[in-house]
Amino acid sequence: IAGITQAPTSQILAAGRRMTLRCTQDMRHNAMYWYRQDLGLGLRLIHYSNTAGTTGKGEVPDGYSVSRANTDDFPLTLASAVPSQTSVYFCASSPGLAGGGYNEQFFGPGTRLTVL
Amino acid sequence: DAKTTQPPSMDCAEGRAANLPCNHSTISGNEYVYWYRQIHSQGPQYIIHGLKNNETNEMASLIITEDRKSSTLILPHATLRDTAVYYCIVTRRDAGNMLTFGGGTRLMVKP
Repeated sequence: IAGITQAPTSQILAAGRRMTLRCTQDMRHNAMYWYRQDLGLGLRLIHYSNTAGTTGKGEVPDGYSVSRANTDDFPLTLASAVPSQTSVYFCASSPGLAGGGYNEQFFGPGTRLTVL
Repeated sequence: DAKTTQPPSMDCAEGRAANLPCNHSTISGNEYVYWYRQIHSQGPQYIIHGLKNNETNEMASLIITEDRKSSTLILPHATLRDTAVYYCIVTRRDAGNMLTFGGGTRLMVKP
C-alpha cells in the first residue's frame, strides 16, 4: 500500500541522547516535511525538503537536523535530546510544484517521543 | 499567508450534512483555500482545496464565496468517523514550505 511510514512508533529517550526518526515514502513525491505537534496544539514545521539533495528550515528548526540523500527517505535527527522536544512528530510528503502542488500533503502515522 | 478564523467547535447529527465555516477576509488573489482534518492521534489528512470555484471530491464539497473572503466545507452525510479537528488553511499553491495549522474546528458527530 502506497504511503508514508515512520519509525519508531514511539520512543522514550534519556536527555542528552542522540535519536534519529525515520520517514520513508513510496509515492515518488518530490517534497517532504517534518512537523511536531505538542499536546493540544497545532502542527509546527521543523524542516522541509523540496527535492532530493536540498533542505530548508521551518518554524522551529533548532535542535534538529535533516538530510535528503534520495527521494524516498527523510530522516530527522535530534543530536542531543532535551525534555522540551517531547512531542508527536509527523512526517509528510507532497508531489511538489511539478507534480501538482506543494500543499496537498500526505502525512505519516507519527512518532510519539518522550524525552526524560 | 492570510489569517483564517474558524469556530472552535461544532456538533452534527449522524447522517446530516456538516457545514464548517472559515473566514479569510485578507486572502490574496493567488492564495488557495485548503482543508485538512486530524482524527484523534492520527496524522492530518488532506481533504480538498480551491481557488475561487466550488470544488467537490469523494470526501467533501468546498464552497467559496464570490468575494473569496469566506468558505464552507460541506460533509454531505456525516458519520461518526468524521469526528475530527478540521483545519482551514489559506496559502499560495507554490509556497508549500509551511502549512500553518491554527486552532481548527473540533467537529463532533453524534448518533
